[in-house]
Amino acid sequence: SYELTQPPSVSVSPGQTVSITCSGDKLGDGYASWYQQRPGQSPVLVIYQDGKRPSGIPERFSGSNSGNTATLTISGTQAMDEADYYCQAWDSRTVVFGGGTKLTVL
Amino acid sequence: EVQLVETGGGLVQPGGSLRLSCATSRFTLSNYWMSWVRQAPGKGLEWVANINQDGSDKLYVDSVKGRFAISRDNAKNSVYLQMNSLRPEDTAVYYCARDPDYLDAFDIWGQGTMVTVSS
Repeated sequence: SYELTQPPSVSVSPGQTVSITCSGDKLGDGYASWYQQRPGQSPVLVIYQDGKRPSGIPERFSGSNSGNTATLTISGTQAMDEADYYCQAWDSRTVVFGGGTKLTVL
Repeated sequence: EVQLVETGGGLVQPGGSLRLSCATSRFTLSNYWMSWVRQAPGKGLEWVANINQDGSDKLYVDSVKGRFAISRDNAKNSVYLQMNSLRPEDTAVYYCARDPDYLDAFDIWGQGTMVTVSS
């Protein structure tokens, strides 16, 4: 079965830029999406179709996808960005999520 | 505001059944694919099933095939997940999510309903 691999945790200082990767075989041949999940809350879509932001998502969130790796980048990270982040892709009409990355803003 | 509200979770014994409901509002349900996604305690997200706009196409993760059934009633603005032969590993928060085919992503999520399978 298709798998997406994310680092379990990443840390960043406030105001700095952080990137979270998501790896999967030929991931760049399709679209990748990213979700933010704060503790005790439901997931929120922050990036779809590799690099598009839904309405209401700050410009500091950006994404890219090429080859075997999709990347979520947060510029000027704020304390409120501390959360779990999940990548998501499609495999033969079924959905696959990455294992999630815990972002800590130190 | 577009909204999804899940109900029907609870405590059930192994081998038992539950039916989850997802009530939708402020959008035309018949225009969208819909999915169920679950999250075991302290774990990541796992897609469970989805259903197309008129209910004629349904897909499931392998671990629930033959045990779970997704359905919808567009006239009642609702999506359902019938869960049979429940196992302890099905214990999770179950989320309903809107799945616009023009986004390739889940743009609206409900608050989730907890299902606990335990004796």
